[in-house]
Amino acid sequence: GENVEQHPSTLSVQEGDSAVIKCTYSDSASNYFPWYKQELGKRPQLIIDIRSNVGEKKDQRIAVTLNKTAKHFSLHITETQPEDSAVYFCAARRTSGSARQLTFGSGTQLTVLP
Amino acid sequence: SQTIHQWPATLVQPVGSPLSLECTVEGTSNPNLYWYRQAAGRGLQLLFYSVGIGQISSEVPQNLSASRPQDRQFILSSKKLLLSDSGFYLCAWSYHWRGGGNEQYFGPGTRLTVT
Repeated sequence: GENVEQHPSTLSVQEGDSAVIKCTYSDSASNYFPWYKQELGKRPQLIIDIRSNVGEKKDQRIAVTLNKTAKHFSLHITETQPEDSAVYFCAARRTSGSARQLTFGSGTQLTVLP
Repeated sequence: SQTIHQWPATLVQPVGSPLSLECTVEGTSNPNLYWYRQAAGRGLQLLFYSVGIGQISSEVPQNLSASRPQDRQFILSSKKLLLSDSGFYLCAWSYHWRGGGNEQYFGPGTRLTVT
C-alpha cells in the first residue's frame, strides 16, 4: 500500500519568514495530494490540494508543489503569521478501490514566533 | 451545503465498558465515510471506511467495530474498551462518484478518555 513520509516533525519560524514542509510517497499511481491544518483540539481542515496533472498550485500565502518523478510534494507558506501555528498533515490518495482512502503523513508541528 | 456531525463531543468511560460513537452527514447522498483515531500528539490512523450501507472495511484489526445502518450514518462501537482506546475520534466523508472531487472533510471529533 501507499506510504507517506513527512518532515520535519517540528518547525519553528519567525513571523514573516517562509515555512516549507516536505512529503514523499511510495505509490507512483497516487494522483491526489491534499494538505490539512489542525489547530489544537480541532478537526483537520483541508487548506489546499493538488492533483497529479499540475505541478504547482497557489492560494494567497499558501502554495503546493508536486514532483511526480521524484514522488514528493511540498507545502510552502510565505509571510507566516502566528495564526499559522498548527499541525500540518500531508496525504496521498490510493488509486485502487472506490473508497478513495487517504494515507496521511505523520504531521509537522509549525510554530510561528512573534 | 454539506455538514458532518459527531457526538458526543467528549466522553469518559471506564475500562471494559461499551462504546458507541455516532457520525451523520447532511447535504449529500451516498458519501464515502471514514473513522479515524488520533492519539495525543500523533497522526491520523484510519480505522474503518464505508462506500455504502452495510459495507464496512477495516484497516486495523482491533476491538472496535463499525456499522452503517443508514446512508448518512456511521457508528463506531466497542464491546469492551481498553486504555489504549483513548484518543480523538474523527469521522470524515468524501464524495462517492468516481469522477468527482477527492476532497475529504472531517467532523468535529469525539475526545474519548478511557480510565
